[in-house]
Amino acid sequence: GEDVEQSLFLSVREGDSSVINCTYTDSSSTYLYWYKQEPGAGLQLLTYIFSNMDMKQDQRLTVLLNKKDKHLSLRIADTQTGDSAIYFCRPGGSQGNLIFGKGTKLSVKP
Amino acid sequence: DAGVIQSPRHEVTEMGQEVTLRCKPISGHNSLFWYRQTMMRGLELLIYFNNNVPIDDSGMPEDRFSAKMPNASFSTLKIQPSEPRDSAVYFCASGGREEDTQYFGPGTRLTVL
Repeated sequence: GEDVEQSLFLSVREGDSSVINCTYTDSSSTYLYWYKQEPGAGLQLLTYIFSNMDMKQDQRLTVLLNKKDKHLSLRIADTQTGDSAIYFCRPGGSQGNLIFGKGTKLSVKP
Repeated sequence: DAGVIQSPRHEVTEMGQEVTLRCKPISGHNSLFWYRQTMMRGLELLIYFNNNVPIDDSGMPEDRFSAKMPNASFSTLKIQPSEPRDSAVYFCASGGREEDTQYFGPGTRLTVL
């Protein structure tokens, strides 16, 4: 079956950049999503990239896609304590492709 | 828009009891998803509906779980009888835009004693 892999933890200092990585197996994904989950809350759509793009920038967020290697990353510039959360990637866009990664817990230290 | 609404937010019940979780999707969305989240297994898709019709229920753990969507604005997930291993956070999400995005509700935290 399809698989999505993420590292489970990432710790950074406030003000540094964070890079969260995701690898996936479904080559038919047309949209690739990043979601953020804060404690006690549901998943919130953060950003997404279309599969024919290599990069998408949205304020402090940069999404990089290497379609050949099936690798997706989310870079958060100037990471703040409010960015502490769990980040999930989801390669999607095809019917039935609804698998999320297990999530990367980002801890931001002051 | 109020977003996806789930009720109750917390449910504590005893083993063997019936549990019903409720979801109201965002108006105009035609897809609805039920997920379960645990520390051990992460986020698992249980079932999803498109235009009120169940499309894929292969994630439903067993016959004790059932889901319905009688109309476009309401869905239920029922567990009967409940067991301690069903304890988890259950999320409902709705979607309907071309880009296949999903919008999650706040979740129902279920504890089965």
